[in-house]
Amino acid sequence: DAGVIQSPRHEVTEMGQEVTLRCKPISGHNSLFWYRQTMMRGLELLIYFNNNVPIDDSGMPEDRFSAKMPNASFSTLKIQPSEPRDSAVYFCASSLAGSGRLDEQFFGPGTRLTVL
Amino acid sequence: GDSVTQMEGPVTLSEEAFLTINCTYTATGYPSLFWYVQYPGEGLQLLLKATKADDKGSNKGFEATYRKETTSFHLEKGSVQVSDSAVYFCALSGGGFQKLVFGTGTRLLVSP
Repeated sequence: DAGVIQSPRHEVTEMGQEVTLRCKPISGHNSLFWYRQTMMRGLELLIYFNNNVPIDDSGMPEDRFSAKMPNASFSTLKIQPSEPRDSAVYFCASSLAGSGRLDEQFFGPGTRLTVL
Repeated sequence: GDSVTQMEGPVTLSEEAFLTINCTYTATGYPSLFWYVQYPGEGLQLLLKATKADDKGSNKGFEATYRKETTSFHLEKGSVQVSDSAVYFCALSGGGFQKLVFGTGTRLLVSP
């Protein structure tokens, strides 16, 4: 079975450019999570969706960040304009949750973003 | 709010040594508890979990017991291998529906 797929795996861009990260969750999963990992701040939850609806975006650092989930098999995280402090590894994870219980989250391999 | 505290790393051990990585938590209600592992260059993988007090999660020789009285979920392994070198994250389900709260991670380095 294919796991969570993220693209690109690596992205290098210049400050001020728009960056779009992509995620394909595991087929059949109904929840999707975006995380950011840095040495300084560790692993941070940015936003999560349930049945394509954003449930909690309180972790989104500022208005430059936006996330969408137009259907059950695709999500994007966009940064516009990008800044050097956005450099991090961004992970997407998905899970199949039912009856209000938390189930295992499956993580993608991550996108390493470098903003120069 | 809910939180997870892990011991600072790195933890450096020789092969076949005994491993303990401490994890304590603060949460309302009755959270589920997890250990995730991250190998270099990869995403996180679930290592083990426990969903209620006194449950023991185990996998690949690793174990952790959900201790409600001490609000702890310490990770142990009797004999580590070089291939166990990774970063280990303790986490709990809390803060609402489906949300995981992670600790800061503990890096384990095992030398031959």
